[in-house]
Amino acid sequence: QLVLTQAPSASASLGASVKLTCTLNSGHSNFAIAWHQQQPEKGPRFLMKISAGGTHNKGDGIPDRFSGSSSGAERYLTISSLQPEDEADYYCQTWGTGIRGVFGGGTHLTVL
Amino acid sequence: EVPLLESGGGLVQPGGSLRLSCAASGFTFRNYAMTWVRQAPGKGLEWVSGISNSGGSTYHADSVKGRFTISRDSSRNILYLQMHSLRAEDTAVYYCVKASSGWYEDAFDVWGQGAMVTVSS
Repeated sequence: QLVLTQAPSASASLGASVKLTCTLNSGHSNFAIAWHQQQPEKGPRFLMKISAGGTHNKGDGIPDRFSGSSSGAERYLTISSLQPEDEADYYCQTWGTGIRGVFGGGTHLTVL
Repeated sequence: EVPLLESGGGLVQPGGSLRLSCAASGFTFRNYAMTWVRQAPGKGLEWVSGISNSGGSTYHADSVKGRFTISRDSSRNILYLQMHSLRAEDTAVYYCVKASSGWYEDAFDVWGQGAMVTVSS
């Protein structure tokens, strides 16, 4: 069974950078993932797709401050120059043949 | 222009039925798979149902199988979720979501604003 693990919370200062992690469980380290952002009281928004090789394809209008990368079974979302509007929940999602709509538990990012 | 706009949410009694609709615009609806994802109050995201671009293949999560049916009308660019035998645990915001290809086993790349469904007596 495919499982995505995310830390429940993270925090960083205004203007700083933060790196969020999504970990694929054993045997699934070659899966791509997508990152989604959910600001308070809003629906989620697609940020980017990240392959096992680290290639990322961003959604329309996503600022350059958002970038993605991979290492082994870990997929990362790095946000630089943190802004107040970056305070949100961040979810990773994966998929595959016979694997439908698997989400991580989400990371709540606080901008200090 | 809002690419995905849900409607049909509301308050329903346990055991009741409700149909959600999602009007799509700004992309070629018939080319993409569509899904419903829900979020219970204070909880994370849960994938509910998916339908291929042709409508020929559908899938429902075990939690809703036999009670919910996903369908689409590609001539009108509308996605539906028919919900029967609703339970308190179905209370959630339901999001209409576009997949990035014609198959629902893929990344989700456009989200609607959500429709609230409350199941309570």
